[in-house]
Amino acid sequence: QSVVTQPPSASGTPGQRVTISCSGSSSNIGSNTLNWYQQFPGTAPKLLIYSNNQRPSGVPDRFSGSKSGTSASLAISGLQSEDEADYYCAAWDDSLNGWVFGGGTKLTVL
Amino acid sequence: EVQLLESGGGLVQPGGSLRLSCAASGFTFGSYAMSWVRQTPGKGLEWVSTINFSGSSTYYADSVRGRFTISRDNSKNTLYLQMNSLRAEDTAVYYCTKEAPVLSGFECWGQGTLVTVSS
Repeated sequence: QSVVTQPPSASGTPGQRVTISCSGSSSNIGSNTLNWYQQFPGTAPKLLIYSNNQRPSGVPDRFSGSKSGTSASLAISGLQSEDEADYYCAAWDDSLNGWVFGGGTKLTVL
Repeated sequence: EVQLLESGGGLVQPGGSLRLSCAASGFTFGSYAMSWVRQTPGKGLEWVSTINFSGSSTYYADSVRGRFTISRDNSKNTLYLQMNSLRAEDTAVYYCTKEAPVLSGFECWGQGTLVTVSS
């Protein structure tokens, strides 16, 4: 069982806005910044959002992140079929002295 | 362009050892923390270990502490993971990652190398 919790699945139709939640504790999300990763089948993950709400160069502004207390969320607006992927949140945990990942959320575009 | 190229994966028997390598290029290797992250086939991501830019500090997941050793050779731009006393549950794709500063995530990933622990 992951220290950080995500819903196992999410779905939406093209053009819709979907959100994926990520819940942790005071030792991880509550104390440190939160990062999101996107992974397509058979490929390595890619950093999607860093420091809670920052997008690396090349990431569309349809993707946005937010954090409040010990929870965070990833929002995808104007959903597209190519957004269908697995999404993971992660943060440094001060108690474990290491990184913790959420269990991942599989996003399906209907 | 940043490139991370892992090697050393393969099939090993339970209790055996394996050393993974990650050849880095396209950035000043000795200025960045590096990590290993693994993924069991069909499952989620699990952080394994992190080493700071100089190699003076290392961090391990509880699941591998005492069995795995992370190291780096900044003169060769190479990251290593020595894995001993391997177990079936260590079977996974192992990714080499470059960390962004100030806990801003794993900003670059290698293509991964598969480690299979089985008799």
